[in-house]
Formats: sequence, structure tokens, C-alpha cells
Amino acid sequence: AQSVTQLGSHVSVSEGALVLLRCNYSSSVPPYLFWYVQYPNQGLQLLLKYTSAATLVKGINGFEAEFKKSETSFHLTKPSAHMSDAAEYFCAVSDPGGYQKVTFGTGTKLQVIP
Amino acid sequence: ETGVTQTPRHLVMGMTNKKSLKCEQHLGHNAMYWYKQSAKKPLELMFVYNFKEQTENNSVPSRFSPECPNSSHLFLHLHTLQPEDSALYLCASSHGGEGSSDTQYFGPGTRLTVL
Repeated sequence: AQSVTQLGSHVSVSEGALVLLRCNYSSSVPPYLFWYVQYPNQGLQLLLKYTSAATLVKGINGFEAEFKKSETSFHLTKPSAHMSDAAEYFCAVSDPGGYQKVTFGTGTKLQVIP
Repeated sequence: ETGVTQTPRHLVMGMTNKKSLKCEQHLGHNAMYWYKQSAKKPLELMFVYNFKEQTENNSVPSRFSPECPNSSHLFLHLHTLQPEDSALYLCASSHGGEGSSDTQYFGPGTRLTVL
């Protein structure tokens, strides 16, 4: 069975500082991996996805994530936080064979301090 | 309208009421999903439809009844709900079909409160 662990339910960074949100996955086969963002009172929006091509994936709003098989990680980073980045971020994993069964992490709320 | 829309955005109902949630996607997708999002819990997949056929029921209680009349519309019929069913219900759609990464696109959700 596949699973996702997001370390830290809340992360605070200063505006302009590096954003690092951690995600570790467990999967019996090479997975597809996703990061979604959810703003208050809205649905989830796809930030980026890894589907076995380049291990460094660039997404929207300046975010990127690197797939590291040896560490079973898919951490999300952004060099410089902006106030508008304050939201909840979800890491998710799916089995390419059962791609429609996506397993989500519990989410990390990002607070950006001015 | 573009993307995935959901109505109503907010719903308050008593335990004896019957109500329905509606989802519509304008993306030409063939797969649609219902998720439940509760505070402090991971997103829970409830149902999956592919080309109007239900392909996944994640042990959801029968008081939740989905309906997918066509690939663009998905309903969730609710009856005799419990207070613990209060949550944000999210609809999503994806292209469907094998061989793709099948990214899911989400609607804004319906915030349901059961009194």
C-alpha cells in the first residue's frame, strides 16, 4: 500500500526566506508524486507533479520539488517566500498502475511572517 | 464557467433531511471523484466514476449515494446524516484512461454542517 508522510503540520517562515516543506512516501512501485496547494475556502490546486521524467520538477508560483528515490522523499521548496504563499500544502502519491487512487498526506499549513 | 464547479458552497442540514451536492466539470474529462476533507485528517477518497461507471467505493456508508448521469456531472445524495459527517466535500475530475498521470482537478468544495 502507498502512503505519504508530511513532517510538520505547521511551518512558519519569514517573507523572503526559503520555504521547505517535507514529504516522504512509501510505495511498492515507482510512484507518481504530486504537490497541491489549498487556499482558505477553496479546493486543491496542483502545484507540480513527478511522473518518472526529470527528478527536479518545477511548478507554478516559483515552487519546485526533487524526487529522491534513495531517501523516498519529494520535498517542496521555494527560494523566497511571499505573503501570498500562505496556504495549506498537500503531498500526494499514486501508483502508476492504479493512478486514480491518490493517497494524500495530512497537509502542512505554511505561515509567512512579514 | 471553467474548471470544476460545485454547488452549493455551503449547506446546513438536519439529520433527517435529504439534500444533494452537485459537481460539474467543464474540462472534457471522463473521470470524476468525491472526497471528504475533515479537520486534522487526510483527504478521504469516497467514490470514483470512469465514463459514468462507478469504479471505486471506499467503504462509504449508504447514507451517501452518488450519481453520475454523464461524464460532466456528478451528484452526492445525502440522507439521514450524522454530525460526524460535517466536513468539506470536494469534487475532482481527471482525463481518465490508462497510460496517463491522470492529474486530478478540484472544485472549491461544499462545506457541509449536519446539526
